[in-house]
Amino acid sequence: DIQMTQSPSSLSASVGDRVTIACRASENISRFLNWYQQKPGKAPELLIYAATSLQSGVPARFSGSGSGTDFTLTISGLQPEDFATYYCQQTYSVRTFGQGTKVEIK
Amino acid sequence: QVQLQESGPGLVKPSETLSLTCSVSGGSISGYSWSWLRQPPGKGLEWLGYISDTRGTHYNPSLKSRITMSLNTSTRQFSLNLSSVTAADTAVYYCARENERHCAPNTCSRPFDYWGQGTLVAVSS
Repeated sequence: DIQMTQSPSSLSASVGDRVTIACRASENISRFLNWYQQKPGKAPELLIYAATSLQSGVPARFSGSGSGTDFTLTISGLQPEDFATYYCQQTYSVRTFGQGTKVEIK
Repeated sequence: QVQLQESGPGLVKPSETLSLTCSVSGGSISGYSWSWLRQPPGKGLEWLGYISDTRGTHYNPSLKSRITMSLNTSTRQFSLNLSSVTAADTAVYYCARENERHCAPNTCSRPFDYWGQGTLVAVSS
């Protein structure tokens, strides 16, 4: 299986901050990479697909970049509702997820 | 609006079979694949497998000997059976739609664009 490694595992940030979450694949996955947000007790929600495309209805402060093995999710101007856990997921082969990055309030 | 809803027992005994059903409303079954995922308490997400609208299946190799999925298009439901369960199978189980039509230029990354709310299944005697 392709291993997905996110960093950091957690971070503390303030409202208005720019936040960057990294995701690295153990082998080349081209752009077969999606990002999800999960709040406590809720199902994950799709934010970004195909590495860089914003899901309909998702605020434009979320953006994705990267291809191959290295990917980034950026939140430009963190809002109170953005405190959550974020997961990357590859669909190049057997679907696997990163371990998650928890974004907490500083 | 597409909605998915899981149903099934919340408690299963060790060595028995876990059976869940997902009901789909508000959208077409055709043209999509229908997945099961799970999340142990406090841990990350694991994809279990999918069944396509033509009833082709693709399972996570880590579970391949224990898992079966089925699809009933007339009732708009798909199901998961996981046999010989242990405590390690305790998790919140989610059903989700995998959308192979969700494409950016040159890449169809098949994201999970709709999810059920999840159902906690505990394995315990």
